Parts: sequence; structure tokens; C-alpha cells
Amino acid sequence: DAGVIQSPRHEVTEMGQEVTLRCKLISGHNSLFWYRQTMMRGLELLIYFNNNVPIDDSGMPEDRFSAKMPNASFSTLKIQPSEPRDSAVYFCASPYANTGELFFGEGSRLTVL
Amino acid sequence: GENVEQHPSTLSVQEGDSAVIKCTYSDSASNYFPWYKQELGKRPQLIIDIRSNVGEKKDQRIAVTLNKTAKHFSLHITETQPEDSAVYFCAASLNYGQNFVFGPGTRLSVLP
Repeated sequence: DAGVIQSPRHEVTEMGQEVTLRCKLISGHNSLFWYRQTMMRGLELLIYFNNNVPIDDSGMPEDRFSAKMPNASFSTLKIQPSEPRDSAVYFCASPYANTGELFFGEGSRLTVL
Repeated sequence: GENVEQHPSTLSVQEGDSAVIKCTYSDSASNYFPWYKQELGKRPQLIIDIRSNVGEKKDQRIAVTLNKTAKHFSLHITETQPEDSAVYFCAASLNYGQNFVFGPGTRLSVLP
């Protein structure tokens, strides 16, 4: 669905490098969620924003992770420095304002060597 | 905060049989309960949802029931087909659009 666009789709990096994942919302959205998916822990909520303000970041694993939403249609999730255990698929998702239905982007598959 | 549990973690059924997946939630204020299907290598996609003012909702072979008193909801798939094989996630949300919390998922395999 073109409502939530993530980049990059795949990223391979070395331990210690900075990683920035991006999420763009097309229209009709008012909140944004970042999830991390692994086989072991399933879909973990990392942080969510409402009206560009972080509401709950209790899921952010540690200080190496940070997220920003500078405007209503764009967000970044940054990991610095990255570690192999950060390898996962990171999803951005946003509900349509009219229905509340949560749409997922296609995900960013991160591999940290 | 909200906690969502989901059972079973894996489920195998014969093609044509029914499949039932159950979820419980902890926050009585949650009022929106969607179900997502995720095929291998793809993103989760909404298949059906229910709001707290409704006890049951059906869409062709898929139905969802909600018991607010017991704080549990279930997904029912009838006449299963091989293309129903996927991982299914339940979720709970407050004032839909806020704080979606997902269950751990159920891997459904439909055997031909």
C-alpha cells in the first residue's frame, strides 16, 4: 500500500556503524509506529508518535536507538552504534485517521555483521 | 501497559477444516481489536477487525468474536485453504489509532 513508504528495503552494515531507517507517510495519517520483528520476539513496539510527538518510547531497547518525527509525514529511526543483535526487520506503520486501520510499510531488513 | 497473549503458537489443520486462534488482553480500556495476516517475507496486512461495541463480525470465511467481560477475542477461519497458511497476529488498541500492541503470533499451516 502506497500510504507508508520505508527505505531502505535492505541494509547490510558492519558492527559499530550508524544506521538510519526512514519512513514516509503519504496522506491521511496522524500517528506513526515503529516495530521491530524477529523470530524470537515477534513484533515489538519500539516507539509511537501522535501529532509528531513521541507518546511512548518504552519499547526502545537502549540509548543506541533514537527516533524522530520532524513533520507529519516523515520519521527516522537511528541506531548508533549498531550491533549484530539489532539484525531484524523494522516496520513503520500508521493508522488512517478516518478508520484507525493500521497500515504497515514493507519493512527494512537490517543485517549487522 | 497493555499485554496481549495469543494461543496456539503453531496450528496445523487439514484443508477444509476450521482453525481457531485465541487472544487475551489486559487493559479493559482497549476498544479496537484487529487481526493481521503475514505471509513469508511480506508485511502484516489487516484481514478483519472488531470494535468493543460489537460481539461478532464476519467476512466470508473469516469471523472474529469478542468477549469484553473476559477480555478475550478469537479468530475463526472456516473451510481453510492452502493460501491461508501464514502467521496471524492479533492486536489491541485504545481509541483505535493509539498504542497498538500485538500478540506473539500464530503460525497456521493448512495441509493439502
